[in-house]
Amino acid sequence: SAVISQKPSRDICQRGTSLTIQCQVDSQVTMMFWYRQQPGQSLTLIATANQGSEATYESGFVIDKFPISRPNLTFSTLTVSNMSPEDSSIYLCSVRGGGSGYGYTFGSGTRLTVV
Amino acid sequence: AQSVTQLDSHVSVSEGTPVLLRCNYSSSYSPSLFWYVQHPNKGLQLLLKYTSAATLVKGINGFEAEFKKSETSFHLTKPSAHMSDAAEYFCVVSPLYGGSQGNLIFGKGTKLSVKP
Repeated sequence: SAVISQKPSRDICQRGTSLTIQCQVDSQVTMMFWYRQQPGQSLTLIATANQGSEATYESGFVIDKFPISRPNLTFSTLTVSNMSPEDSSIYLCSVRGGGSGYGYTFGSGTRLTVV
Repeated sequence: AQSVTQLDSHVSVSEGTPVLLRCNYSSSYSPSLFWYVQHPNKGLQLLLKYTSAATLVKGINGFEAEFKKSETSFHLTKPSAHMSDAAEYFCVVSPLYGGSQGNLIFGKGTKLSVKP
């Protein structure tokens, strides 16, 4: 299965600032997914990032708040913009495994605290 | 619409006793189903997956799950709990079996505690 390197692993940010999270995959993948896990909650899909096209956002998430880049088939970034304490969460990227497994691999997550 | 329900938010067992984490799903399509584990301050790790092959799926660390279409269930079991099994477990459904889309739908999670 793919290996994902996600960074930073954690950060503490001031409200009103922005943070960019990076995910690097060790193989080429068509789609990358960005999730948010709010404290004590399950994961919610933010958007799906395709190389060469705009990301597709889920209901409740907008590009101005969570701009995504996907410059090539192994890399993506998610920016959390104009942060507020409500943005404090774990953010994870994910890719779908290759082959017949249909499993998904997740990055180790970015634990964001906004103060 | 697709959904997944984890019936217990918290399960507590004693070390060496069986584990049962319950999951029911709803899907209009033949689903792919997964169980993931998340240890404190760690990322998500795939335990096992069902993709329409054998209905009894064996995963890592002695876990297994059985897909029961008639009951729309995919319960996770382990014969004997170990202290290291204490973690959060997520049941996940991917409604588009074999497709190129990958929208995973997560259950709310079950926190497993293991008592010595």
